[in-house]
Amino acid sequence: AQSVTQLDSQVPVFEEAPVELRCNYSSSVSVYLFWYVQYPNQGLQLLLKYLSGSTLVKGINGFEAEFNKSQTSFHLRKPSVHISDTAEYFCAVSHSGAGSYQLTFGKGTKLSVIP
Amino acid sequence: GAGVSQSPRYKVAKRGQDVALRCDPISGHVSLFWYQQALGQGPEFLTYFQNEAQLDKSGLPSDRFFAERPEGSVSTLKIQRTQQEDSAVYLCASSKRARDGELFFGEGSRLTVL
Repeated sequence: AQSVTQLDSQVPVFEEAPVELRCNYSSSVSVYLFWYVQYPNQGLQLLLKYLSGSTLVKGINGFEAEFNKSQTSFHLRKPSVHISDTAEYFCAVSHSGAGSYQLTFGKGTKLSVIP
Repeated sequence: GAGVSQSPRYKVAKRGQDVALRCDPISGHVSLFWYQQALGQGPEFLTYFQNEAQLDKSGLPSDRFFAERPEGSVSTLKIQRTQQEDSAVYLCASSKRARDGELFFGEGSRLTVL
């Protein structure tokens, strides 16, 4: 079984400032990692994913995340946020073997961008 | 439509009533998932279909929960004899391939049990 911890439930940040949303996972097997975003009144949308290869992955809207196996982390970063980035962000993990379709989500981090 | 469509968007039920929640996935997506999201929590896996076959129902919380996808397209999640703890947003997602994690989610059905 795996689990995901998102350490910050809410993150306020000023417009054009950098942001990092933290995600740590626990798993006894190799994993796939994901970040999903939920804008107000919309469904969850895939932001980026790590399956294999380069540990730095780039996603939509200028976001990127780095897989750190030794620290079991997959933190999400953006160098300069916009008002439109205000949303809830969910980190998720699945294991890379049989049954890898099942995602385990964190509790989410609400990002509020302040003008 | 182009996205995953769920109905109803909001449902209020009295405790003990049966409810049915519908999901219309993206055309051509063979994989379909149901997740439950309680207030302040992340989504939790309920069940997974590949076409009409329900391959995993390990996340269904009790035998009051039942899901079907008889023709491999539209799916229905049914909850019998609803309880207050069933109050949550029920999310449906579909994908072309189950394993790469790129799920397309609907906006969810918010169930409130009084």
